[in-house]
Amino acid sequence: KAGVTQTPRYLIKTRGQQVTLSCSPISGHRSVSWYQQTPGQGLQFLFEYFSETQRNKGNFPGRFSGRQFSNSRSEMNVSTLELGDSALYLCASSPTSSYNEQFFGPGTRLTVL
Amino acid sequence: AQKITQTQPGMFVQEKEAVTLDCTYDTSDQSYGLFWYKQPSSGEMIFLIYQGSYDEQNATEGRYSLNFQKARKSANLVISASQLGDSAMYFCAMATDKLIFGTGTRLQVFP
Repeated sequence: KAGVTQTPRYLIKTRGQQVTLSCSPISGHRSVSWYQQTPGQGLQFLFEYFSETQRNKGNFPGRFSGRQFSNSRSEMNVSTLELGDSALYLCASSPTSSYNEQFFGPGTRLTVL
Repeated sequence: AQKITQTQPGMFVQEKEAVTLDCTYDTSDQSYGLFWYKQPSSGEMIFLIYQGSYDEQNATEGRYSLNFQKARKSANLVISASQLGDSAMYFCAMATDKLIFGTGTRLQVFP
């Protein structure tokens, strides 16, 4: 069974631009969660989607948004990029809304110049 | 407030020795899960072990065991017989309505 895939793996953007990251969960998984990892703030929960509905949201500004499609694939969008948005963005999927079966993708490394 | 604390920024261990990575947590929830993840330099988070708050026995997965002391709110990871490939960042995490992570411990295994 294929694992969680994230595209692109690396991305360079400039301040003010917007970016869309994609996550394809493991087949059959209905929950997708997103995390931001930075050296300063560590790993922080962004949001979780289950069956196309956002179930939980972390403490991030409205510039960060996401959605989930009927095939469980998820996208995360960041508008008006700031230098501090440079991070590794990790996506994780699980078959249910339980975190104890969560598998992570390889991440997308975003650099904002 | 919910919080995970990992007080060891870095640890060194010799190959084939055992090592304990510390983790304490704080939550007012009665039902929660505790996890350990390994993150190699490639960046991918690898699930190691899970302990539910109502589980009475400590979780074990191969060379990994979780020393769960509920009254002390600690969930230490024990790696037995360390291998060079165990060198990585290790994160403790707690799940209630969301998954929150500690700051991590960098483990380095030397020959």
